[in-house]
Amino acid sequence: KAGVTQTPRYLIKTRGQQVTLSCSPISGHRSVSWYQQTPGQGLQFLFEYFSETQRNKGNFPGRFSGRQFSNSRSEMNVSTLELGDSALYLCASSHDNSGNSYNEQFFGPGTRLTVL
Amino acid sequence: AQSVTQPDIHITVSEGASLELRCNYSYGATPYLFWYVQSPGQGLQLLLKYFSGDTLVQGIKGFEAEFKRSQSSFNLRKPSVHWSDAAEYFCAVPPGAGSYQLTFGKGTKLSVIP
Repeated sequence: KAGVTQTPRYLIKTRGQQVTLSCSPISGHRSVSWYQQTPGQGLQFLFEYFSETQRNKGNFPGRFSGRQFSNSRSEMNVSTLELGDSALYLCASSHDNSGNSYNEQFFGPGTRLTVL
Repeated sequence: AQSVTQPDIHITVSEGASLELRCNYSYGATPYLFWYVQSPGQGLQLLLKYFSGDTLVQGIKGFEAEFKRSQSSFNLRKPSVHWSDAAEYFCAVPPGAGSYQLTFGKGTKLSVIP
């Protein structure tokens, strides 16, 4: 079974631009979460999608948004990029059965975003 | 809100030596607890998890962790470290069943001396 894939793997943008990152979960997984990883703040939860609906959201500004498609693939978008948005963005998927239990998350390799 | 503390930012051990990485959590109920490993330039790989039951949990790559409620700890151990274990290790906890919003510790970077 293929793992979580993220595209692109590397991205360079300039301040003020916007960017869209893509995540394809493991087949059959319906929950997709996004995390931002920086040296200063560590790993921080951005949001989680399940069945095309945002189920949880972390403490990030509205410039960060996401969506999930009917095939569970997910995208996240960052508008008006700032230097501080430079980070590794990780996507994780999980086979969520009922929402009443916890199923482990499988992480993709990440997208390294550099903002100049 | 739950929180996770990894007191050691960087640990260096010799190959073949034993290893213990510390993790302390703050959580009201019995938590779910995880240890992940991240090699340079890679995503996170789950080493082991604690949901309930036996407090000594076995994971992949020869790692184990022990849940100690009295100490609010979930320390990761390995009896004999290999050079390939050099990586960054993260302890994590979700807020509860049904939420995938993991809270991670700051991580412990492990260096291995050949």
